[in-house]
Amino acid sequence: DGGITQSPKYLFRKEGQNVTLSCEQNLNHDAMYWYRQDPGQGLRLIYYSQIVNDFQKGDIAEGYSVSREKKESFPLTVTSAQKNPTAFYLCASSVRRDRTVNYGYTFGSGTRLTVV
Amino acid sequence: DAKTTQPNSMESNEEEPVHLPCNHSTISGTDYIHWYRQLPSQGPEYVIHGLTSNVNNRMASLAIAEDRKSSTLILHRATLRDAAVYYCILRGVLNNFNKFYFGSGTKLNVKP
Repeated sequence: DGGITQSPKYLFRKEGQNVTLSCEQNLNHDAMYWYRQDPGQGLRLIYYSQIVNDFQKGDIAEGYSVSREKKESFPLTVTSAQKNPTAFYLCASSVRRDRTVNYGYTFGSGTRLTVV
Repeated sequence: DAKTTQPNSMESNEEEPVHLPCNHSTISGTDYIHWYRQLPSQGPEYVIHGLTSNVNNRMASLAIAEDRKSSTLILHRATLRDAAVYYCILRGVLNNFNKFYFGSGTKLNVKP
């Protein structure tokens, strides 16, 4: 079955370390997204990519970096510059804007990152 | 970004209908109305979407006001598995296409 796989499900990071969260999709979707969710809050957009080798900052990109070398993969690196990284991170994908606006997002099951 | 307003929480009894409201007074003519729901510690899942006409699918119905400034998600018979946070989201064609704005949503509690 097609879908989005995020790994790991739980991740612990020491202060000052960079960590990379994996996101892989086999839906043949062009666009991919990273969101952050804090307890009791909605989702906030970190980065998004509409095509391979291209990505744009979302609303809270500071302290994060991404790459899009393959259509299927959109890893997120949480750097030591991110002052409050403890959160639930969600990856999503969708078809690209010039095809249809009727499609929504497909989300992964998330990675819970905790700074220890 | 066009934004939505939803009640923080609602409660329903099992097997009764639930009407979840959403206000979107700044909606533009090309914005689609999407609904997602999120179970605890999971990613949101798509529920339904529409533009102007009411929509039905196997999960729910979406009723859209004639002026499109509000909409209502209808769960015809709530089950315990429907307990989740429900997000009402506008998806634009132009500038805001990639920015699904997720507010804090409505937390639905279903009582047995």
